[in-house]
Amino acid sequence: GDSVTQMEGPVTLSEEAFLTINCTYTATGYPSLFWYVQYPGEGLQLLLKATKADDKGSNKGFEATYRKETTSFHLEKGSVQVSDSAVYFCERGGNKLTFGTGTQLKVEL
Amino acid sequence: DAGITQSPRHKVTETGTPVTLRCHQTENHRYMYWYRQDPGHGLRLIHYSYGVKDTDKGEVSDGYSVSRSKTEDFLLTLESATSSQTSVYFCAISEPGQGYGYTFGSGTRLTVV
Repeated sequence: GDSVTQMEGPVTLSEEAFLTINCTYTATGYPSLFWYVQYPGEGLQLLLKATKADDKGSNKGFEATYRKETTSFHLEKGSVQVSDSAVYFCERGGNKLTFGTGTQLKVEL
Repeated sequence: DAGITQSPRHKVTETGTPVTLRCHQTENHRYMYWYRQDPGHGLRLIHYSYGVKDTDKGEVSDGYSVSRSKTEDFLLTLESATSSQTSVYFCAISEPGQGYGYTFGSGTRLTVV
């Protein structure tokens, strides 16, 4: 069935480092794709989305491009901050999302 | 989060007792969901609703029931709480169609002792 696979964490980076969190999907058709972020003690928040192939979603310095050829939606940020430390979830659109374990990011000074 | 609230935020209960968690939305969204989040398992869908009185099971529905008597409220009931149901429970809302993401509540931390 349709699924999403994202890289295992935790990922530990120094402040101002470049971030990539890989995400690939399988799906029939062309679903919308999303990244969510969860800060400690909070619910998930929608970070960015892309609704069709080649779309680029962006928010708060994060970007992800919907790549139909590679069925990927990798999350990137050019310079991470300590405040970006959180768990990140990649998901495909639909009426009944199934979440993976997410990728924990820890940014250190 | 704005437009969706969960209550209570924290609860401790004893094994064998019934527990009801409430999710309330002011967004008039059609879809509502209950997830549980546990270390090493991510988020797992318990039940969801696609309209008033229309509900369906998710992947971990055993031991849980839900009710939706009006658009804004979605109740999750643990019929007889067990220690394995100690978890953080999240409610989410959405609208059908491409491009709609989910809005999550702040969660309910439930401890069954």
